[in-house]
Amino acid sequence: AQKVTQAQTEISVVEKEDVTLDCVYETRDTTYYLFWYKQPPSGELVFLIRRNSFDEQNEISGRYSWNFQKSTSSFNFTITASQVVDSAVYFCALSEASGSTLGRLYFGRGTQLTVWP
Amino acid sequence: NAGVTQTPKFQVLKTGQSMTLQCAQDMNHNSMYWYRQDPGMGLRLIYYSASEGTTDKGEVPNGYNVSRLNKREFSLRLESAAPSQTSVYFCASSEVPQSSYEQYFGPGTRLTVT
Repeated sequence: AQKVTQAQTEISVVEKEDVTLDCVYETRDTTYYLFWYKQPPSGELVFLIRRNSFDEQNEISGRYSWNFQKSTSSFNFTITASQVVDSAVYFCALSEASGSTLGRLYFGRGTQLTVWP
Repeated sequence: NAGVTQTPKFQVLKTGQSMTLQCAQDMNHNSMYWYRQDPGMGLRLIYYSASEGTTDKGEVPNGYNVSRLNKREFSLRLESAAPSQTSVYFCASSEVPQSSYEQYFGPGTRLTVT
């Protein structure tokens, strides 16, 4: 069964602090994709990153970085030197690449990040 | 190139009323999806269409019907709205498997059923 768990419901930090959002997933597929989406207060869903199951390299994009570890089924997201504009709900999601669930996205429940000035 | 569009953006219904949420994409994607988002629940799949002419149930299909009108359009119908269907509805599309499964989302429809 496919499942994505974001254990942190809410996180509050003060500006310039680093923050890590946790994501743990379950899948029986050997080929799959993991995603992070951001949902700011305006409500739209903003794609942040996609990672496939064969690429365990960490990725850095500006203040954002992602740590993918298949051994622990985790795909964690770190924001360095957080800013007020980072305040949003962040979703981790999983998509399998085969079988009857091909292409479907399974979302975690999201983590509400609040960055205080 | 508008991406994924949804209409309406807001809607208030009374219990028992019906309505159709419209979704269209201009990216020539084969797959389209309807999700609902409730507080603390993330996004849950209602129905999806892997290709024109096919539809399948997702996690929470009860109380909804869908129509894949053509490759561009995928509508969601509530035949008899209930307060439990108060939610934000998102439509999405993707090109599976060519696009590595990334889904592009519409802006959402906020529905309130009283």
